[in-house]
Amino acid sequence: SQQGEEDPQALSIQEGENATMNCSYKTSINNLQWYRQNSGRGLVHLILIRSNEREKHSGRLRVTLDTSKKSSSLLITASRAADTASYFCATDAYSGAGSYQLTFGKGTKLSVIP
Amino acid sequence: KAGVTQTPRYLIKTRGQQVTLSCSPISGHRSVSWYQQTPGQGLQFLFEYFSETQRNKGNFPGRFSGRQFSNSRSEMNVSTLELGDSALYLCASSAGTPGDTQYFGPGTRLTVL
Repeated sequence: SQQGEEDPQALSIQEGENATMNCSYKTSINNLQWYRQNSGRGLVHLILIRSNEREKHSGRLRVTLDTSKKSSSLLITASRAADTASYFCATDAYSGAGSYQLTFGKGTKLSVIP
Repeated sequence: KAGVTQTPRYLIKTRGQQVTLSCSPISGHRSVSWYQQTPGQGLQFLFEYFSETQRNKGNFPGRFSGRQFSNSRSEMNVSTLELGDSALYLCASSAGTPGDTQYFGPGTRLTVL
């Protein structure tokens, strides 16, 4: 089942603009991770934010987490054509037997127009 | 360190056949998880292996099975293939501690005809 739901489903922007993607989830989490996927390839890990953190930066990426609203956002600043990809949020929650399970949303498809 | 590798990268099978996919995790990682990605259902968790034991399982029929070897390499098997099994199968490895980042391989694209 899908835990995270990204919004919007698709986003088209001009190169140099900022892109913001949102993710909502339903249950308590240990952490939330964002991944990028280029055209049916493997997932590339972008950033992990723990449940006790509110904001995290990595290069041009900024992630926020609001556990009271069960939501997160990913901001990509000064976007480039190479940022064109699908972006997924994944919630990491305890699933029993010492295991934590990643549950993915359906993703936001970002197109950056040169 | 070398990344997660998956073989084969592409497979074409017919209904009723079975298939085995392989995943080699990052050196030192003891946890391997498998995911199925389809346009309709998105990314869905299949199962996780840690130190040769299945530690967690998603909501898939028994036709989907897996195992992990002592070197942490993992295989996934799908028996009696159905058209709906056509998907990108991704494996991910991590150290296995709760909250660790999972690193994904490039995936195996399975097409069932």
